[in-house]
Amino acid sequence: AQSVTQPDIHITVSEGASLELRCNYSYGATPYLFWYVQSPGQGLQLLLKYFSGDTLVQGIKGFEAEFKRSQSSFNLRKPSVHWSDAAEYFCAVGPSNTGNQFYFGTGTSLTVIP
Amino acid sequence: GAVVSQHPSWVICKSGTSVKIECRSLDFQATTMFWYRQFPKQSLMLMATSNEGSKATYEQGVEKDKFLINHASLTLSTLTVTSAHPEDSSFYICSARDPKGNSPLHFGNGTRLTVT
Repeated sequence: AQSVTQPDIHITVSEGASLELRCNYSYGATPYLFWYVQSPGQGLQLLLKYFSGDTLVQGIKGFEAEFKRSQSSFNLRKPSVHWSDAAEYFCAVGPSNTGNQFYFGTGTSLTVIP
Repeated sequence: GAVVSQHPSWVICKSGTSVKIECRSLDFQATTMFWYRQFPKQSLMLMATSNEGSKATYEQGVEKDKFLINHASLTLSTLTVTSAHPEDSSFYICSARDPKGNSPLHFGNGTRLTVT
C-alpha cells in the first residue's frame, strides 16, 4: 500500500539551529518525492522535489533533502533555521507518470523560538 | 508567481446555501485537477479528481451530490458545496499538474469555508 509517514507531529527549534524533518514512504513503483510548506491559512508551496539523479536535492529557502532508497526515506534539512520558517511541512509521494494523485504525510508543525 | 489560482480565499455562508469555489490553472492547460479538504492540524485529504470534459472521480466517503465538481475547460474546475452545513466548514485546496514534462503538482492558496 502507498503511504507516507512523518513521525514527528511537532518540532521546536531555536532560530539559527539546524533542522531535520523526517519522512518515510511506502510506494510500489518508482517514487517521485516532494516536500511542501504551508503557512497558516495558505495553500501549499513546493520546497523541492526528487525524480531521479543526485539523491541530494536543493530547494528554495535554503532547504535540502536526501533520498535514501535503502531506508525509504526523504528527510528535509536546513542548516540554520529562520523565524520565518515556522509553518507546517508536508512530505508527499507521487507516481512516476503524470495525472495521478499524491499521497501526503500528516505533516510536521515547526515552531521556531527566537 | 502563482500558477494555480483559487477563488475565493475565504467565504462565510449560511446553512442551507450553496457555495462555489473556482480553481484555475494560469500558465498551462490541466486536463486533471484535484480537490482536497484539510481539517485543522491535519493533512490534506483527497476528495475527488476533476477530469476535463467528463465526470469527476470521487474518493470513498465523499458525497457526490454534496460536492459537485465541474471541469468545463482545460483551465477551470469548480467545486460547489451544496446545501452547506456547519460540518462542511473546512479549508478546501485545489491542485493541478502541468502535463508537460516532470512538473509537480501546483496548489492553489485554498479557500476557508465557514458555514454559520
